[in-house]
Amino acid sequence: AQKITQTQPGMFVQEKEAVTLDCTYDTSDPSYGLFWYKQPSSGEMIFLIYQGSYDQQNATEGRYSLNFQKARKSANLVISASQLGDSAMYFCAMREGQRGSYIPTFGRGTSLIVHP
Amino acid sequence: DTAVSQTPKYLVTQMGNDKSIKCEQNLGHDTMYWYKQDSKKFLKIMFSYNNKELIINETVPNRFSPKSPDKAHLNLHINSLELGDSAVYFCASSHRGRNNEQFFGPGTRLTVL
Repeated sequence: AQKITQTQPGMFVQEKEAVTLDCTYDTSDPSYGLFWYKQPSSGEMIFLIYQGSYDQQNATEGRYSLNFQKARKSANLVISASQLGDSAMYFCAMREGQRGSYIPTFGRGTSLIVHP
Repeated sequence: DTAVSQTPKYLVTQMGNDKSIKCEQNLGHDTMYWYKQDSKKFLKIMFSYNNKELIINETVPNRFSPKSPDKAHLNLHINSLELGDSAVYFCASSHRGRNNEQFFGPGTRLTVL
């Protein structure tokens, strides 16, 4: 079974609107971390946001927020006020185990296109 | 003041050749990684080194071998290159004990002809 599932291969959003990118995960480890990365067409991988499994609050970083629903095992990324520069591939990733034994798994990504 | 650097950025070579990709990080991280991203953008971890010890080795062919001369470097050696090795290879690093956010290098696009 896939550990990270991103069901939306492609998403479209109008500039200045909000968009939610879905991510579900599968783990039996009580300690894990969830990450979102952005990969623009230039190819680099850019870290966006992190959520720990024991964190009580949903993570936020500027226009990015992570809608963490532990019981549902979902960690959706919400981008508010979309900008043209947000057009990119977005990857959800999970680290299982204690912090000293990072075992990273990435989802297959969602391609986001922001329309003017 | 690049955080994670890789050389070369592009590598074009013939089948059967042996090549290396270098990676260096100046973040003081103690764990480094190599990923392979295929043409469908799927990102798969290949290796991870922590304090000079291999801690993850996904089932990659033994033609691939990581070499870490010190904590700041993790090079990737590939022997007998095959067409299927064509991909973008990313190096990354992180710090143990933090939230394990990984910092990625710019990637090396390997094309095997």
